[in-house]
Amino acid sequence: NAGVTQTPKFRILKIGQSMTLQCAQDMNHNYMYWYRQDPGMGLKLIYYSVGAGITDKGEVPNGYNVSRSTTEDFPLRLELAAPSQTSVYFCASSYAGNQPQHFGDGTRLSIL
Amino acid sequence: GEDVEQSLFLSVREGDSSVINCTYTDSSSTYLYWYKQEPGAGLQLLTYIFSNMDMKQDQRLTVLLNKKDKHLSLRIADTQTGDSAIYFCADVTGTASKLTFGTGTRLQVTL
Repeated sequence: NAGVTQTPKFRILKIGQSMTLQCAQDMNHNYMYWYRQDPGMGLKLIYYSVGAGITDKGEVPNGYNVSRSTTEDFPLRLELAAPSQTSVYFCASSYAGNQPQHFGDGTRLSIL
Repeated sequence: GEDVEQSLFLSVREGDSSVINCTYTDSSSTYLYWYKQEPGAGLQLLTYIFSNMDMKQDQRLTVLLNKKDKHLSLRIADTQTGDSAIYFCADVTGTASKLTFGTGTRLQVTL
């Protein structure tokens, strides 16, 4: 019973490097979300998707890109890593917009 | 935009009740959620309440909603050490049901 799976769990990047954070869900959920959580703060929405082929910006999208080619997967890409992107990233999914969101365990990303 | 506020810290003795409070600004919120986050883990959905309800009870958890004051509370009865965590209030707004989170309340349970 996997739910929402995020990989990797930890990563250290150098400034200017790029990487993709992976998120997969096996619950056949239509909606998927990416959040970032900074120390002592709540979660901020980066991007979201209401179905395969459809994505939209959240509150803090700058410096990130997403794609949604399948229902199951929703990768988040950092093109030019900056220290301000050091954070914990959470992926979430829900069956519909009015249903509770289920979260993965997060990816802890440090950019030095 | 929408704003959700919580107090940062709460300390209670084991066996006492805990009450975690939350205020929000968007009167069109449809659902309000409580999530629990343990150290190094993701967010676990605890409970939620529809905006047309005043109260919801689920075992040791009681959620109270005062729509007039835009105030939400989570009461944990018989608080245990395993309840020590950060509790996030979140509300749902907009067509894609985007969540707006509070900053979280760290609950410390002492013996």
